[in-house]
Amino acid sequence: DGGITQSPKYLFRKEGQNVTLSCEQNLNHDAMYWYRQDPGQGLRLIYYSQIVNDFQKGDIAEGYSVSREKKESFPLTVTSAQKNPTAFYLCASSSRGGNTEAFFGQGTRLTVV
Amino acid sequence: DAKTTQPTSMDCAEGRAANLPCNHSTISGNEYVYWYRQIHSQGPQYIIHGLKNNETNEMASLIITEDRKSSTLILPHATLRDTAVYYCIVRVSKWDSNYQLIWGAGTKLIIKP
Repeated sequence: DGGITQSPKYLFRKEGQNVTLSCEQNLNHDAMYWYRQDPGQGLRLIYYSQIVNDFQKGDIAEGYSVSREKKESFPLTVTSAQKNPTAFYLCASSSRGGNTEAFFGQGTRLTVV
Repeated sequence: DAKTTQPTSMDCAEGRAANLPCNHSTISGNEYVYWYRQIHSQGPQYIIHGLKNNETNEMASLIITEDRKSSTLILPHATLRDTAVYYCIVRVSKWDSNYQLIWGAGTKLIIKP
């Protein structure tokens, strides 16, 4: 079935360690996004990519990095520079441009202790 | 900042129509209204979107006022599985051939038996 997959669902890391969250889609979408969600709040955009080998910062990119080497994959690295990394992370994809909807993965809940 | 305001929470009886209001008084002429919902600890699910005409699909109806400053999402026969946080979102034009969804905190809809 077509869809967008995030792994793992739960992730625990020690403070000061970098961690990479996986996002894969088989929807043939050009655009992919990473969002962060804190309790009781809406989604905030971290990074987005419209095409392979290109990506742009969103509203809260500090302390995060991404790569887009393949159309299907858009991994997010939470670095030690991110001051409050504990959050729910959501990946999404969509067709480029126009009047389209975004499809979301099931999210990764990252806890840094 | 979010461009929409929604009630924090609402209740609805099972089998009745659930009407979720949203204000977007600063919306621009080319900005769409999107609705997503999020069941606890899952990725958001697309429901419907519109520009100025009323829209209907298999999940819901979207009624947009003539001045476009507010809208209402209607779930015609609510079930317990419709309990979720519902987000009313304005899609703004940010980059060439792509757009950004600006998320608020949403309305927590509780369907009661």
